[in-house]
Order: sequence, then structure tokens, then C-alpha cells
Amino acid sequence: GESVGLHLPTLSVQEGDNSIINCAYSNSASDYFIWYKQESGKGPQFIIDIRSNMDKRQGQRVTVLLNKTVKHLSLQIAATQPGDSAVYFCAENLGRTTSGTYKYIFGTGTRLKVLA
Amino acid sequence: DGGITQSPKYLFRKEGQNVTLSCEQNLNHDAMYWYRQDPGQGLRLIYYSQIVNDFQKGDIAEGYSVSREKKESFPLTVTSAQKNPTAFYLCASSRDRNTGELFFGEGSRLTVL
Repeated sequence: GESVGLHLPTLSVQEGDNSIINCAYSNSASDYFIWYKQESGKGPQFIIDIRSNMDKRQGQRVTVLLNKTVKHLSLQIAATQPGDSAVYFCAENLGRTTSGTYKYIFGTGTRLKVLA
Repeated sequence: DGGITQSPKYLFRKEGQNVTLSCEQNLNHDAMYWYRQDPGQGLRLIYYSQIVNDFQKGDIAEGYSVSREKKESFPLTVTSAQKNPTAFYLCASSRDRNTGELFFGEGSRLTVL
């Protein structure tokens, strides 16, 4: 069953090419960001995170770039594979609420389609 | 393996009925959350719990109720007062007290007939 929006922006990429997915965040005070991957009918999976004191962080085949000046986050996937097809969304952590838990704002997501 | 287990994965309900979605975690996380996911929208927070026997309303708590009697369990009840309950519901827990990194379950899809 489809669990994520049917009208999301879609990025189509040829297998083996690099993918870049973008996210604009809303709050200049946000200090922690996460990228999630969500396959159809499943829960979001953590991909990579970055704190606001960094502007770049690399994982396995993925890189996250943070531009605090323009409040922009990007996820780069190297050598995109068919298994990368999913919806990707970012989450910004606004910090602790008065009750002590963390407040997140989630992006709506981008659908990545990998073409064989 | 440690993780978050949600059940049922699919649930159908008639209008006017209450339903309860289960969320269990064996990660020893203190904080647990319920989110709702609708097409074209980001996740929205329904309720969260920082500790056993304590929980707080999120941004869209109306028509929902929760309990936190055990650290491992955080069930969500969708009541008949929820006007538009058809959605995908996600339970999450938080590990890192410094960052609040969220781990999600596989979700429960509720359809009201």
C-alpha cells in the first residue's frame, strides 16, 4: 500500500548516475538535521544526519550538505542503484520543547525513481 | 534484533468505532512518538511521551488518545471523534538525548469504511 503522497516532486535518475535531492528548512535555529528514506508501505529509515556546526558529512555512498545561510539541505547519492528508489525527506530538529522532548519538522519529500 | 514493532499493519474500521494501534520497542528508549502521514504532507506529531506514565499532546492530538503504562509500549487509540482518521500512522522512539534521533516503526495503515 502506498503510504506517501502521490503528488510529490519526482527526480528520475539513470542507474549509475549521481542523485541530488534538496530540502529547504524553515527555522534558522534548527541545530540538527536528518535525511530519511521511505519505501512504499514502510516506515522511514535513517540515512544520514548532520549537526549545524558542520556543512558536510559523508556516509556510505551518501553525502549531506548543509548551507545555513540559505537554510538549505541536500542529499547526494553516488552511483544510484535501483534499490535507492524511494521517497526521501528531511527532518529538522528545532531543539527541546519545554517538556524536554525534541520537536521535529518534516519535509514533504521527493520521490526518487531510478531508471534502468 | 532491537526495533520498533507496530501492529496491525493494515486496519479497517467502520465510522463511529474506536481502534487501537500497538507500538512496542525493545530499544530501551525513553521517548516515544506517534506521527500521522498523509499524502503530500510532512509527518505531523499526534502525541509523545518522554517517560512512563507521562505523555503530551502534539500538533494534531484531537480525536486521539494514548497511554504509557510501560516503557516499551505506547498504544494509540483513534477515537470516533477523529474526523478524518484514514491515514498512515507511524510510531517512533528516540535514542540520543543530545540529538533526539528518531527511529521509526513500519507503520499502520488505517482505513475508515
